[in-house]
Parts: sequence; C-alpha cells; structure tokens
Amino acid sequence: DAGVTQSPTHLIKTRGQQVTLRCSPISGHKSVSWYQQVLGQGPQFIFQYYEKEERGRGNFPDRFSARQFPNYSSELNVNALLLGDSALYLCASSLSGFRGRGTDTQYFGPGTRLTVL
Amino acid sequence: SQQGEEDPQALSIQEGENATMNCSYKTSINNLQWYRQNSGRGLVHLILIRSNEREKHSGRLRVTLDTSKKSSSLLITASRAADTASYFCATEEYIRGSRLTFGEGTQLTVNP
Repeated sequence: DAGVTQSPTHLIKTRGQQVTLRCSPISGHKSVSWYQQVLGQGPQFIFQYYEKEERGRGNFPDRFSARQFPNYSSELNVNALLLGDSALYLCASSLSGFRGRGTDTQYFGPGTRLTVL
Repeated sequence: SQQGEEDPQALSIQEGENATMNCSYKTSINNLQWYRQNSGRGLVHLILIRSNEREKHSGRLRVTLDTSKKSSSLLITASRAADTASYFCATEEYIRGSRLTFGEGTQLTVNP
C-alpha cells in the first residue's frame, strides 16, 4: 500500500508570495495533520483535519490555512510568505485521531521543502 | 513550543554499541512516541508507548516510560551504521483532536 504522499518535493518562492502544498493520506485514513519543521528543530503542529473539519490548530498566524477534501486529501496554504516560513512541511495521516478509538499512530509523508527568498 | 527535551543533543558511537536517548516532557500525556528522521526527510514511526505502560520492545528497540518523572528513554541495541539519523520523542495530547508535540531531537551517528 502507498504511504502518505506530498507534493511538490521542493519549492522556492519569494517573500510576499502564496504557496499551496498538497497531501494524500494512506488509504482508509480519515485524519490529516500538518507540521512545520524548521532546520535543526523538531516538527511543530500546525493543523489537524478530520472528515473535512478542523480539529486542532497550533500557534501559527492566520496566513496559514488548510482544508480537507471528500477523498481525505488535504492542502496547506500559506499567504504573504516570510523568510521565516522556510522549512520542511510534513503531512501525517492517521485513522481517526480521536481519543478512545485505539492507538492512532501518525504516519508521515516525505515532506515538502519550502525555501523563501 | 517544544514540550519534550531530548538528551543528549548529539551522540556518536561505534557499530555494535548500544545507544540510549532520553526524553523529558512537562504535561500529562496519553502516549509517547519515538520517531526517526534521516537527512531532514519524513519521519518514520518507531514505537508507541501508552501512559499505562512502563516498557516496550520492538526488535532492537527498547522504550521505557516513567510518568512520575515525566521521562522516557529509547535504547537501540547492537547499533548499525544505518541507524545514523535524528531521533525525536513526541507526546500525544487530545485537545478536540490529536496533536503531537516534539522535542528537538537527538542526532545519532554510528561509526562503522
């Protein structure tokens, strides 16, 4: 079975531009989460979506937005890019992401490397 | 903000030796997970230990959890050069949904 896939692999943008990153979860997984990993640090939680609804949001500005589609794939949008947005953006999928539904291991994709110049 | 803190930040050992990494966290958790990351790419899930478990094994990996001390350790036995990677602990919290909070990782180098 295919794992979590993300596109594009690499992206170079300039300050002020907008970017859209895409993620396809593992077949059967209904929850998608997004994480930002700045070089040298651990990933930081941005969003979780389940059944097309936002279920959690990390400490990120409103320039960051996301959505989930009926097929459970997801997009992360970042507007008005800043140099500090340069990072590896990771998508993770899990079965449900809810307490009481058993072990919800999150499986990560390979990431999208965003460079803002 | 980072909840977990890994110790050490970097570890260099010879093939065949054991590697131990530690993780401390601050709040109550449902479970704690360990991930591996090669060269800044995607994270690979290694093992999950629930808050009511004290020890778990998976192949050459052994994880312990001490909720009274809010700490965990990952032991890799008989290390190999292919184990060279960054290792992260992550605590899972349920706030309406599920989110992982990662530490800053331990960079493990296994020398052949």
